Amino acid sequence: NAGVTQTPKFQVLKTGQSMTLQCAQDMNHNSMYWYRQDPGMGLRLIYYSASEGTTDKGEVPNGYNVSRLNKREFSLRLESAAPSQTSVYFCASSEQRLVYEQYFGPGTRLTVT
Amino acid sequence: DAKTTQPPSMDCAEGRAANLPCNHSTISGNEYVYWYRQIHSQGPQYIIHGLKNNETNEMASLIITEDRKSSTLILPHATLRDTAVYYCIVRVTSNTGKLIFGQGTTLQVKP
Repeated sequence: NAGVTQTPKFQVLKTGQSMTLQCAQDMNHNSMYWYRQDPGMGLRLIYYSASEGTTDKGEVPNGYNVSRLNKREFSLRLESAAPSQTSVYFCASSEQRLVYEQYFGPGTRLTVT
Repeated sequence: DAKTTQPPSMDCAEGRAANLPCNHSTISGNEYVYWYRQIHSQGPQYIIHGLKNNETNEMASLIITEDRKSSTLILPHATLRDTAVYYCIVRVTSNTGKLIFGQGTTLQVKP
């Protein structure tokens, strides 16, 4: 099993450009999450999806949208990238009844210039 | 949600036990203690969790004081690969899964 995979691994955007970060898991988990981690900081939750068809805002949702495409996939979209969104983005998943045992992907390192 | 306090950094000799403390003096009766770690540049990794009893798994042991105001994560035989930032998180069981990561403790395992 690959676990949680994320694409791309690295991305550089100019201010105002848009992009979608992809996340997929093969553990048959119901719940999925997007976090961001700024240098020297802990992770902050952007959005989460408790189950297929539902999404909810986390701590820092402004400037982002998400789509729970199916049970496996949860994408994060930046419509108009800003330098403040330069960060490492992590996707995670969990069983619905064990929501705090989350499995994380390797991350996407995004730089917005 | 209860606030947690951890020392910013600790050192441990390779092969020795690493004991990482966490203070959560405002913890309520239905809040669990979770531990994660993040090895440099990787995604966080779940280690262990507990409510009030001590817990052990293949990675670590978790000791929670009787009043539940503090806990200690124990890595029994630390290796260089255990060098990481360790996060103590207190959460109420729910269906939201909102993990809140603080600054954690940077554990440096030295040869």
